[in-house]
Amino acid sequence: AQKITQTQPGMFVQEKEAVTLDCTYDTSDQSYGLFWYKQPSSGEMIFLIYQGSYDEQNATEGRYSLNFQKARKSANLVISASQLGDSAMYFCAMRRTNAGGTSYGKLTFGQGTILTVHP
Amino acid sequence: DGGITQSPKYLFRKEGQNVTLSCEQNLNHDAMYWYRQDPGQGLRLIYYSQIVNDFQKGDIAEGYSVSREKKESFPLTVTSAQKNPTAFYLCASSILAGKETQYFGPGTRLLVL
Repeated sequence: AQKITQTQPGMFVQEKEAVTLDCTYDTSDQSYGLFWYKQPSSGEMIFLIYQGSYDEQNATEGRYSLNFQKARKSANLVISASQLGDSAMYFCAMRRTNAGGTSYGKLTFGQGTILTVHP
Repeated sequence: DGGITQSPKYLFRKEGQNVTLSCEQNLNHDAMYWYRQDPGQGLRLIYYSQIVNDFQKGDIAEGYSVSREKKESFPLTVTSAQKNPTAFYLCASSILAGKETQYFGPGTRLLVL
């Protein structure tokens, strides 16, 4: 079974500063993929970034980067230069993959972290 | 524009009534998914389908039914057997290769009268 834990119900950050959203996971699978999604108040889930368990480098997508520490089973999201539009709920999720990196099965989500960016 | 559409945005259900939520995608994705989100919670998988005319139960399938007659469409029926249907329902789709990132529709909010 897979489990995602997001221990921060809410986070606050000043505009233009960086913020780290925590995510730890538990799985017995050797191969898996980790995802971060943003959910604004409108409700739609927006894909942000992906990290494969066998990827040697941490994933980056623009202002988003993933601090992946496999031994600690953590996959924290770092948002640099926060903007007011970053205020939203953020979800960490994972799926099993085969050795080639193709995912299968369901996405398991954490409880989410509400990020508020102050001007 | 390619994407996933869900309708209606809001849906009201009377006691004992079945209601159907629509999900359509024009991304040519093979797999489609239905998730339920309760207030302040993460998403839980209801059903998923990786190919036309085939679908699998997720974690909370009881009280729900689906069909996949076309690749583009994956409607969800909330039956009268679902005793607590008030929630936000999200449909997603993905290809079955590579990262298989799931892309989501805008959601349908279901309320019980």
